[in-house]
Amino acid sequence: NAGVTQTPKFQVLKTGQSMTLQCAQDMNHEYMSWYRQDPGMGLRLIHYSVGAGITDQGEVPNGYNVSRSTTEDFPLRLLSAAPSQTSVYFCASSSDEQGGEAFFGQGTRLTVV
Amino acid sequence: AQSVTQPDIHITVSEGASLELRCNYSYGATPYLFWYVQSPGQGLQLLLKYFSGDTLVQGIKGFEAEFKRSQSSFNLRKPSVHWSDAAEYFCAVGGNTNAGKSTFGDGTTLTVKP
Repeated sequence: NAGVTQTPKFQVLKTGQSMTLQCAQDMNHEYMSWYRQDPGMGLRLIHYSVGAGITDQGEVPNGYNVSRSTTEDFPLRLLSAAPSQTSVYFCASSSDEQGGEAFFGQGTRLTVV
Repeated sequence: AQSVTQPDIHITVSEGASLELRCNYSYGATPYLFWYVQSPGQGLQLLLKYFSGDTLVQGIKGFEAEFKRSQSSFNLRKPSVHWSDAAEYFCAVGGNTNAGKSTFGDGTTLTVKP
């Protein structure tokens, strides 16, 4: 059971480049989320999804797009990377059961130069 | 709006000493509360959670937490810390109506002295 898998683990981008961070889960969870983690700021929610075909914005959505075409996958797209998007990105999934906790991927460390 | 405050940015304890990490939350309904641990370069792992029932919950690695509604707190405790407990700890709040979105505190870094 792989849980939540994120790729790549590390990425360096130039300002203005675009890329997609991949996230896949094999637990048949309805809920999936993307967070970014910056020093001293905890985790901040970027986008989330409550099921295939349904997405919504979190706390810091600007500069990011998401889609959810299947239950398993929830990619995060950076349309035009900026240095302010240098961060560690975590994907998480959770079930819709009462009190269901989030399961996290290992993270993607992104540097924008 | 929901929020979480972890008042202590960094805590240092000696190995074998007891530990308490503080967490205060704000949530409009009955909260779901979580504690996660993050080792360097790793993702977050659930230590324990509360969503109903007994207000003292037991988790993995010998951790426990107590939900106190009157104080809006969910403090994490461990009676005897091991060197391997050194990590960053996050408290989070969520609820059944917010579709799995959790709000995280800024984290507390635990250093363990030999």
